[in-house]
Amino acid sequence: ELKVEQNPLFLSMQEGKNYTIYCNYSTTSDRLYWYRQDPGKSLESLFVLLSNGAVKQEGRLMASLDTKARLSTLHITAAVHDLSATYFCAVEETSGSRLTFGEGTQLTVNP
Amino acid sequence: EPEVTQTPSHQVTQMGQEVILRCVPISNHLYFYWYRQILGQKVEFLVSFYNNEISEKSEIFDDQFSVERPDGSNFTLKIRSTKLEDSAMYFCASEDSVILSSYNEQFFGPGTRLTVL
Repeated sequence: ELKVEQNPLFLSMQEGKNYTIYCNYSTTSDRLYWYRQDPGKSLESLFVLLSNGAVKQEGRLMASLDTKARLSTLHITAAVHDLSATYFCAVEETSGSRLTFGEGTQLTVNP
Repeated sequence: EPEVTQTPSHQVTQMGQEVILRCVPISNHLYFYWYRQILGQKVEFLVSFYNNEISEKSEIFDDQFSVERPDGSNFTLKIRSTKLEDSAMYFCASEDSVILSSYNEQFFGPGTRLTVL
């Protein structure tokens, strides 16, 4: 059974600081997703990572994938308050199959 | 930009009642999914649907649940006799054919918040 673990689960950081969220998964996978969720809202797709060594950046967020280590990271650069949200990673084991989500990282960026 | 839509946005029901949650996937997508998220918890897979039949389901998706694609555009989730613990946000997702492109992804709808009293 595929397991997906994120850490930390809670992250409080100051504006302007950098930090990394980690996502480990237990079996080989076809695709890894990062989502953002604001309270009471749907899942906003941030990144889809397909291959080993993939790196994608959008604004202050950068995601990478190491399939050999079964590890993805979401790096936050110079955090701003607007980034406060819960971030989920999700793994699609094979194309067209279910997504298995991590527990989520609740990020709070303080002024 | 095409998007997955869901109705209603919020459904309140009494325990034991039947509810039907509706989704309109992105046109021409072939794979359809239901997920749920209990408040404060992670998103959990319920069921996937392809070629007019269930392709995979989780242990959560018991006999109280059923899915249907009644008319070629809608995709519905029915809960026959709701329980308190069915209270959650239910998300529908759809995905293009996995054969055509390696850049496919599952696109999520805005969700239906189900409250069972």
